[in-house]
This record gives sequence, structure tokens and C-alpha cells, in this order.
Amino acid sequence: DTAVSQTPKYLVTQMGNDKSIKCEQNLGHDTMYWYKQDSKKFLKIMFSYNNKELIINETVPNRFSPKSPDKAHLNLHINSLELGDSAVYFCASSLYIAGAKETQYFGPGTRLLVL
Amino acid sequence: AQSVTQLDSQVPVFEEAPVELRCNYSSSVSVYLFWYVQYPNQGLQLLLKYLSGSTLVKGINGFEAEFNKSQTSFHLRKPSVHISDTAEYFCAVRSGNTPLVFGKGTRLSVIA
Repeated sequence: DTAVSQTPKYLVTQMGNDKSIKCEQNLGHDTMYWYKQDSKKFLKIMFSYNNKELIINETVPNRFSPKSPDKAHLNLHINSLELGDSAVYFCASSLYIAGAKETQYFGPGTRLLVL
Repeated sequence: AQSVTQLDSQVPVFEEAPVELRCNYSSSVSVYLFWYVQYPNQGLQLLLKYLSGSTLVKGINGFEAEFNKSQTSFHLRKPSVHISDTAEYFCAVRSGNTPLVFGKGTRLSVIA
């Protein structure tokens, strides 16, 4: 059973397009995250949601809009894609955001290439 | 603000040799420390974490790490590596309600 799943696994698209990445977790966790990993493997948080509410928004351009229809899903919509958006995007989840001790469980990643 | 420094971007090591991957952190408050591993084309997986108590933490796959508060370090060690340990290793720190902050990763390459 996949704990945190993401679709699609690969995404190749043209500049200016709009795309979405979906994430689902079946762990019963309250908190979900989106991370961006750049070409140098540097991993940085973008957003965090707790029970469908936005908790963390780390200086991400407005073109990125997360949406959480329920606490098991956190989707990422990107408008007007730019070359610099090419990266691997990871979804993660944990039991609750106030628990800094809690382990975050990561999805397999979505490799986005903008041409 | 918290930060994590992984001093080595790449560490090549022969199979069955010991390895240490270094991690230093900076924080003005008590922290929780994590090591994650990323195998090629996969997501991150927790190796081990330090929350409190014993400073020597044992994780999966024979890895262990030691928390040293005075040196603000959390180095990862394994006494004998296998080819299958070839991966990217990330040290991360968190405290309170702050986001998890990752280091830039260390690429461990195990040579047969």
C-alpha cells in the first residue's frame, strides 16, 4: 500500500502552460506539505496545510496555488509555468504540525520539466 | 533562524568500509534532528531521528548518529557500507512550529 502518492510522476510541458500535481496520503495524517527540490538537490518547503487550512507559505510566487479538498489530499496548481519551475516536487505528510518530533512521510516526487 | 550545514557534497567510499557523513546545525532553541535518505529517483525516507534522551541514535539499515550539543553536530555513521547504500543523504532540523529545514545533501557513492 502506498502511503503518500503523487500523480503524475513525470510532467513535461511548455512555458506559459498551467499544470496541476496531485497528492494523496492514506496514513490518516492531519498535515501535508509541498517541497521543491532543485537541480542541485536542495530541498525547500513551499506550503503546509493542517486539516485543510494553510499554515505555511514560504515566499512562493502567486503562480503556485495549493488546494486541499480534504485532509487526505493536497494538490498543487501552477499557472504560467516558467523555465525556473523545472524541479522535483515532493508531497509529504505528518501526524500534526505542532508535533515537531513527528516524522514526515514523503511521496515519490513529480519531476517537472518546463521547455 | 535555523540552518543545517552538510560539509561534504560527495563522499566516495569502498564497499565494506566505514563512513561518516557530517552535519552541523545552528539554532537558538532546542531542536529535533533527522537524517533522511533519498535513493535514485525516489522520495525521502527517514533513517533516524533525535528527539531527546540518549545522544546515540540507531536507525534503519545499520546507520546510527550521535547528537553533540556542544559542537552542534549530528553526524551519521555506518561501520560497513554496502553498494545498496549509494544514495543522497539529507540532514534536517526542526523546533517548535518551524518548518523542517534541510541541508544541501551528501551524495554517498559506494564503490565495489
